[in-house]
Amino acid sequence: DAKTTQPPSMDCAEGRAANLPCNHSTISGNEYVYWYRQIHSQGPQYIIHGLKNNETNEMASLIITEDRKSSTLILPHATLRDTAVYYCIVPGGTSYGKLTFGQGTILTVHP
Amino acid sequence: GAVVSQHPSWVICKSGTSVKIECRSLDFQATTMFWYRQFPKQSLMLMATSNEGSKATYEQGVEKDKFLINHASLTLSTLTVTSAHPEDSSFYICSARDPRASVIYEQYFGPGTRLTVT
Repeated sequence: DAKTTQPPSMDCAEGRAANLPCNHSTISGNEYVYWYRQIHSQGPQYIIHGLKNNETNEMASLIITEDRKSSTLILPHATLRDTAVYYCIVPGGTSYGKLTFGQGTILTVHP
Repeated sequence: GAVVSQHPSWVICKSGTSVKIECRSLDFQATTMFWYRQFPKQSLMLMATSNEGSKATYEQGVEKDKFLINHASLTLSTLTVTSAHPEDSSFYICSARDPRASVIYEQYFGPGTRLTVT
């Protein structure tokens, strides 16, 4: 798996956009970037994934830089329920199906 | 979306006893399930990959004789913690991949089971 680096914590005001960065400078050409989040005392939840194009779904947007060495997860209108640990994961091709979770970013959304 | 359940959600057991945790995929058949362990204020650590009809594959450092995994059907995998000790107290989480999905790393996680060994 390509190594990912995320800030340990971030704050965001409710209703504002939360922009969560991830560095994955060793990513190879065919590796995807996945984002999951874990709300306290729950199992993780899949958010979004991408290869090189920007992606958007009902939960979030994913912006991947042109060189693919970093990405940003955007929660456009953060709510208190978005408070969670956000994990950026780049699974390797040989780890079929297995996800390796790093420390992630603790996002705290405050009123 | 696909749903994965776990039972029980929490369990307290005495040291030396065994505990079984069930992981079920409710609306899809999962040929592969994964078991994770999470200690307080730490990230998830993959313990093993559970394959229906075959032996589980354990990660390095995980004792296969202590953490018995059985994946006897396409909707059920079980993790049995044998001879549990206080250091086994943790949050155990399973996940499964819906084989109908084209993305192999899009997994659905159970709500977790909190095990406390006294």
